[in-house]
Amino acid sequence: DAKTTQPPSMDCAEGRAANLPCNHSTISGNEYVYWYRQIHSQGPQYIIHGLKNNETNEMASLIITEDRKSSTLILPHATLRDTAVYYCIVRAHTGTASKLTFGTGTRLQVTL
Amino acid sequence: NAGVTQTPKFRILKIGQSMTLQCTQDMNHNYMYWYRQDPGMGLKLIYYSVGAGITDKGEVPNGYNVSRSTTEDFPLRLELAAPSQTSVYFCASTHVGLGTGELFFGEGSRLTVL
Repeated sequence: DAKTTQPPSMDCAEGRAANLPCNHSTISGNEYVYWYRQIHSQGPQYIIHGLKNNETNEMASLIITEDRKSSTLILPHATLRDTAVYYCIVRAHTGTASKLTFGTGTRLQVTL
Repeated sequence: NAGVTQTPKFRILKIGQSMTLQCTQDMNHNYMYWYRQDPGMGLKLIYYSVGAGITDKGEVPNGYNVSRSTTEDFPLRLELAAPSQTSVYFCASTHVGLGTGELFFGEGSRLTVL
């Protein structure tokens, strides 16, 4: 799996958009970008994923650059409950075994 | 569906003891993973399995063993527990080849070795 790089921490005011960047410059053509978040010490929770088109669901939007070397997770109206560690990983959707290694993620602190 | 179920949720071990962390999933997923997470740190992959009878090492396999005799179960065995194995352990599963490829996690097992 391609390695990802994320800033260690970010702050965001409640009600504002939180934009979390991720670099994955060695991503392969068949690898998807996945985002997860971990609140306190719970098991990580899936947020969204995409291949090359931008994606949106009820939780967030994912913007992937045209060269696919980086992406941004957008939480459009952050709330205090969005305070968590956010992990970006890249992995193939099919095919051979995927080790699925996580980096250290970005710790997002949403404040009043 | 119960998803991914881990037992026990909490356990205290003495140095040198052994134990097995249980993980079972009812989603017919082919891939299963064990991670450990030390306080304030990210997830580190211990072992993973791509199907019944097939397992492979992750980043930090020393001191652990796994088996995958069925699709549903992926137990993690700790032999000769050491204080360095104090951590939260997460089991996860996904289906490679079908669906979204979303990784489902259990609630974690908190292990303390004294």
